Amino acid sequence: DVKVTQSSRYLVKRTGEKVFLECVQDMDHENMFWYRQDPGLGLRLIYFSYDVKMKEKGDIPEGYSVSREKKERFSLILESASTNQTSMYLCASSLTGGEQPQHFGDGTRLSIL
Amino acid sequence: DAKTTQPPSMDCAEGRAANLPCNHSTISGNEYVYWYRQIHSQGPQYIIHGLKNNETNEMASLIITEDRKSSTLILPHATLRDTAVYYCIVRPYSGGYQKVTFGIGTKLQVIP
Repeated sequence: DVKVTQSSRYLVKRTGEKVFLECVQDMDHENMFWYRQDPGLGLRLIYFSYDVKMKEKGDIPEGYSVSREKKERFSLILESASTNQTSMYLCASSLTGGEQPQHFGDGTRLSIL
Repeated sequence: DAKTTQPPSMDCAEGRAANLPCNHSTISGNEYVYWYRQIHSQGPQYIIHGLKNNETNEMASLIITEDRKSSTLILPHATLRDTAVYYCIVRPYSGGYQKVTFGIGTKLQVIP
């Protein structure tokens, strides 16, 4: 089975802090994604990566950066956390090729106070 | 991407088959139908996908009509753990980069 593991299920941070969210997948997937999910706004893509050290902006990259130093690990960084970044953050991964589905982790519910 | 329409909610008795419909009348030839579900406070779980043939795996069956304008996800023996929001989406054959976007989905309640 595909396993996408996010480092924390719940996280509470303060405004202005630098926040790191980690994601690891064990299926040798080339593609990895970071989304946030908010009530009424659905799923929104922040960044994705199709290879080590490669990254592409999604629909809402402002205030975020990412790092992919190893194939299995994709990190999301909130440079200076703000209250409007309180959300559920979801990591996903997929193989490259045609119709390959994305597989999601269990999410990190992040609260910025 | 083609738009999908699903009923907002459904009930199913435990042990019975749950049949979840999805309308995607504007689907184009290179678009696949995917089903995911999301149990409360968890991440979305991939269930199954297909292009035009019916598909079955250990979780569910996917029936796609011949004109591909609609599909049905079948959970053959629903359990209480199948209570979740089920999302039907269509995505093109795109090399895996295409983002996933969920609509409102169908909230399935499995009743004891």
